[in-house]
Amino acid sequence: KQEVTQIPAALSVPEGENLVLNCSFTDSAIYNLQWFRQDPGKGLTSLLLIQSSQREQTSGRLNASLDKSSGRSTLYIAASQPGDSATYLCAVEEAGGTSYGKLTFGQGTILTVHP
Amino acid sequence: KAGVTQTPRYLIKTRGQQVTLSCSPISGHRSVSWYQQTPGQGLQFLFEYFSETQRNKGNFPGRFSGRQFSNSRSEMNVSTLELGDSALYLCASSLGDRGPNYGYTFGSGTRLTVV
Repeated sequence: KQEVTQIPAALSVPEGENLVLNCSFTDSAIYNLQWFRQDPGKGLTSLLLIQSSQREQTSGRLNASLDKSSGRSTLYIAASQPGDSATYLCAVEEAGGTSYGKLTFGQGTILTVHP
Repeated sequence: KAGVTQTPRYLIKTRGQQVTLSCSPISGHRSVSWYQQTPGQGLQFLFEYFSETQRNKGNFPGRFSGRQFSNSRSEMNVSTLELGDSALYLCASSLGDRGPNYGYTFGSGTRLTVV
């Protein structure tokens, strides 16, 4: 059974800091890994999708890496801003089988960036 | 293009009642997945529909059901509501194909409160 763990559970940093969020998964047979952002009481906003054959993806100040063999991904946020405050979730889609439409999520990292 | 639309945004129901939630996927997407999000359990997969057929189902009791229409819009129904059904219900839209480069787009969710 796939399990996804995110560390740390919460992170508070001053504005301008670079930071790293961690995600690990137990089964490396995945199609991809997706990072999402969730603001309080809202839906999920997709940030980055890394295909299983890729090592990293970048979008603006965000960079996500994937090491499938070790079951790890990191989300790097450069020059953090108060507007980055949110919960960050990683999710994997298992490859093969009949696991249609199912993402397995971590519990999330609650990020607070203070001015 | 229009995103994933979930209605209603908020619902308050009494124990024992039933409720129907709606999700309209992105135009051209044929797959709709449903998730329940609670503070204690995080995001849990309910089921997935593709071309009006349920292809996958999570570990939820039979009180949770769904369907999909020919225009890909999906509904989920919860009967005999319990207090523990209070949650944010999210739907995700995708093309329905499986592979490394297919991601999911989420709606804003329906907040269900059972009193």
